[in-house]
Amino acid sequence: GQQLNQSPQSMFIQEGEDVSMNCTSSSIFNTWLWYKQDPGEGPVLLIALYKAGELTSNGRLTAQFGITRKDSFLNISASIPSDVGIYFCAGPFLMLAGGTSYGKLTFGQGTILTVHP
Amino acid sequence: NAGVTQTPKFRVLKTGQSMTLLCAQDMNHEYMYWYRQDPGMGLRLIHYSVGEGTTAKGEVPDGYNVSRLKKQNFLLGLESAAPSQTSVYFCASSSGTLAGGYEQYFGPGTRLTVT
Repeated sequence: GQQLNQSPQSMFIQEGEDVSMNCTSSSIFNTWLWYKQDPGEGPVLLIALYKAGELTSNGRLTAQFGITRKDSFLNISASIPSDVGIYFCAGPFLMLAGGTSYGKLTFGQGTILTVHP
Repeated sequence: NAGVTQTPKFRVLKTGQSMTLLCAQDMNHEYMYWYRQDPGMGLRLIHYSVGEGTTAKGEVPDGYNVSRLKKQNFLLGLESAAPSQTSVYFCASSSGTLAGGYEQYFGPGTRLTVT
């Protein structure tokens, strides 16, 4: 099945530093999603990308849909302590059932971010 | 607009006991999903539903059953709990439409311990 490889697995940074993480796949995706999970909470959608080459920002977060459609990148600028959490990439693979297309998400393993004040 | 809610938040079961986890969404989403999350394993899909009255198996369905009698609710049942089912369970929903339909919205999770 489709797999997403997310790197790095973990990062320890100082407050104020920029962060970069990426996600790669052996298959082409038409959509890339980035989620953040705070400790003890459910994943929250940060950014959705729908077009190859697309660059989208959400505050200090910027995500890019790779031109090959097999990768995506998430950058966080000027990190702060509340950026701590696990960041997941996700992409759908289409399935057909009764003539209706729908997507189940494949998730990366996550990048654990720790920010030291 | 509460989004996706889950009950209970925490539960401890003894081996062999049964329980039902309830998920509710108020976004009128067609699709709903149940995941489990274990350390080092990421999110794994247990069962999902593409509409009221429908259910389908995900990656790790064994030991679980689901029902979607109403569009807004998706129930996950454990008939005979096992220690291997100790995990954090998340429910999610998505609209399923072509425009933004892949975006899944998650509940806060249920932490289950089976002793």
